[in-house]
Amino acid sequence: AQSVTQLGSHVSVSEGALVLLRCNYSSSVPPYLFWYVQYPNQGLQLLLKYTSAATLVKGINGFEAEFKKSETSFHLTKPSAHMSDAAEYFCAVSEEGGSEKLVFGKGTKLTVNP
Amino acid sequence: DAGVIQSPRHEVTEMGQEVTLRCKPISGHDYLFWYRQTMMRGLELLIYFNNNVPIDDSGMPEDRFSAKMPNASFSTLKIQPSEPRDSAVYFCASRYRAYEQYFGPGTRLTVT
Repeated sequence: AQSVTQLGSHVSVSEGALVLLRCNYSSSVPPYLFWYVQYPNQGLQLLLKYTSAATLVKGINGFEAEFKKSETSFHLTKPSAHMSDAAEYFCAVSEEGGSEKLVFGKGTKLTVNP
Repeated sequence: DAGVIQSPRHEVTEMGQEVTLRCKPISGHDYLFWYRQTMMRGLELLIYFNNNVPIDDSGMPEDRFSAKMPNASFSTLKIQPSEPRDSAVYFCASRYRAYEQYFGPGTRLTVT
């Protein structure tokens, strides 16, 4: 069965600092991986996705993530945090060419301090 | 496109009452998903449809929950009777083949 572990339910950074949100997955078949962002009182919005093409994936708002098969990781990064990045971030996995389901991690709440 | 539309955005009801949540997917999308989000359990998939047919309802918590999709542009999630532990944010999402799901704004349900 697939699973996602997000290390750190809360991450706090200063404005302008590096953002690093960690995601590790478990999948018995090649995975598709996603990062979603949720702003307060809103639905989830896709940031980026990995679907077995380039291992470094660029998304919206300056975020990117790197798929590392050997580490079963898909960490999300942004070089310089903005106040507007404060939100909750979810990593999700689905099976390549298989299940239509997405399995979500518990989420990481990002706080950006001025 | 207007995106996924959900109604109502907020619902407050008393225990034992019937609750109906509504969703209009993005036009042309052939998959529709219902999720529940709580602090304790995070984001859980309840059920999903493909071309209006329920494919997997293994996440539906119990018989009090039911979902229908009478046509490609409308789906409902019904809870009857409602209980306080059903209080959560319910999301609808839709998708067309390319794997990414588009989420609606959610319905915040409070059962007192």
